Amino acid sequence: GQQVMQIPQYQHVQEGEDFTTYCNSSTTLSNIQWYKQRPGGHPVFLIQLVKSGEVKKQKRLTFQFGEAKKNSSLHITATQTTDVGTYFCAVSGTASKLTFGTGTRLQVTL
Amino acid sequence: SAVISQKPSRDICQRGTSLTIQCQVDSQVTMMFWYRQQPGQSLTLIATANQGSEATYESGFVIDKFPISRPNLTFSTLTVSNMSPEDSSIYLCSVEEGGSEAFFGQGTRLTVV
Repeated sequence: GQQVMQIPQYQHVQEGEDFTTYCNSSTTLSNIQWYKQRPGGHPVFLIQLVKSGEVKKQKRLTFQFGEAKKNSSLHITATQTTDVGTYFCAVSGTASKLTFGTGTRLQVTL
Repeated sequence: SAVISQKPSRDICQRGTSLTIQCQVDSQVTMMFWYRQQPGQSLTLIATANQGSEATYESGFVIDKFPISRPNLTFSTLTVSNMSPEDSSIYLCSVEEGGSEAFFGQGTRLTVV
């Protein structure tokens, strides 16, 4: 089945530092979605990208879809403690089934 | 956006027993999904719950272990049968809307002792 790898697995930053997580696939993706899961919570949808080279911004979050549609990134500028959680990329495939990436856990300290 | 109520939120069960998890959506949805999230891991799709027909299971998951019901377009149950400690996980139901985002229930944190 389709595999989607994320790096890094874990990152610990000081508040105010930037953070980036990368999502990589060996195959071309039709789309990529990003979710955030707070500790003890459930995944919450952030965004979907579908076009090659697409860039979308949500306040301090910037999402990119690679030109070859095989990778994506999520960048957070000036992290805050509220950004703590695990960030997952996911691919929506046949019959709307989601294949989740391995996830990047972000820890932010003051 | 869909609002999903999932229960129980957590349970501790004896090995060999079964637990049924319920998922109620506040609107009619075509697609409902059940995921498993093992401790510290990502989400893995168990099955798609189909209204009016048998669930469609992913590789590695079987109906005898994870029977699913979908009696209508707003409700589904997942049963974890004959549990062992390896079944200790978070189980999440999900619905998909508009061909894009997925909404998740709050999850059921299951511990098997």
